Amino acid sequence: AQKVTQAQTEISVVEKEDVTLDCVYETRDTTYYLFWYKQPPSGELVFLIRRNSFDEQNEISGRYSWNFQKSTSSFNFTITASQVVDSAVYFCALGGGPYSSASKIIFGSGTRLSIRP
Amino acid sequence: GAGVSQSPSNKVTEKGKDVELRCDPISGHTALYWYRQSLGQGLEFLIYFQGNSAPDKSGLPSDRFSAERTGGSVSTLTIQRTQQEDSAVYLCASSLAHGTGVQETQYFGPGTRLLVL
Repeated sequence: AQKVTQAQTEISVVEKEDVTLDCVYETRDTTYYLFWYKQPPSGELVFLIRRNSFDEQNEISGRYSWNFQKSTSSFNFTITASQVVDSAVYFCALGGGPYSSASKIIFGSGTRLSIRP
Repeated sequence: GAGVSQSPSNKVTEKGKDVELRCDPISGHTALYWYRQSLGQGLEFLIYFQGNSAPDKSGLPSDRFSAERTGGSVSTLTIQRTQQEDSAVYLCASSLAHGTGVQETQYFGPGTRLLVL
């Protein structure tokens, strides 16, 4: 069965600190996709990144970076020099592959990130 | 280009009444999904449409819930005889059509906040 675990329920840091959000997944598919979404207080889920299981290169986008490690089934998300506007709930998600329904993205339970000024 | 839109943004209803929630996907997206998010919780998959057909209805919690999609575009989620436990945010997402084993990115609407009194 597919599963996504975000063990950190809540994280609070002071502005400008770096913060890493952990994501561990389980799947028996060899081809799969990983996602991160941001849900700010307004409630709308904002797509951040989609990663294919064959692409293990880490990715950086501005202050955001993602570390994909197939050996440990993890897809961690780091925010560098955090800002108050980064405060949100962040969801990691897993989908795709022949053993899963193409319709479903399995979401983790989310990590609530609070950035204090 | 417009994103996914949902209406109404908020709905308050009395227990036992029927409600209809509407989703207008991104133009050109043939796949459409409904999720439910209870307060402070993760996302619960409800149903998936490919075109006008629903190959995966596995997440609908009871026969009081139904959904349809017409013209391969707008979808309506109907909840009959609402109960207080139906109170949640109902999120709609759309994506390009899936290839075999390929999970396309789902783009979410702002949600409908349903409160059943």
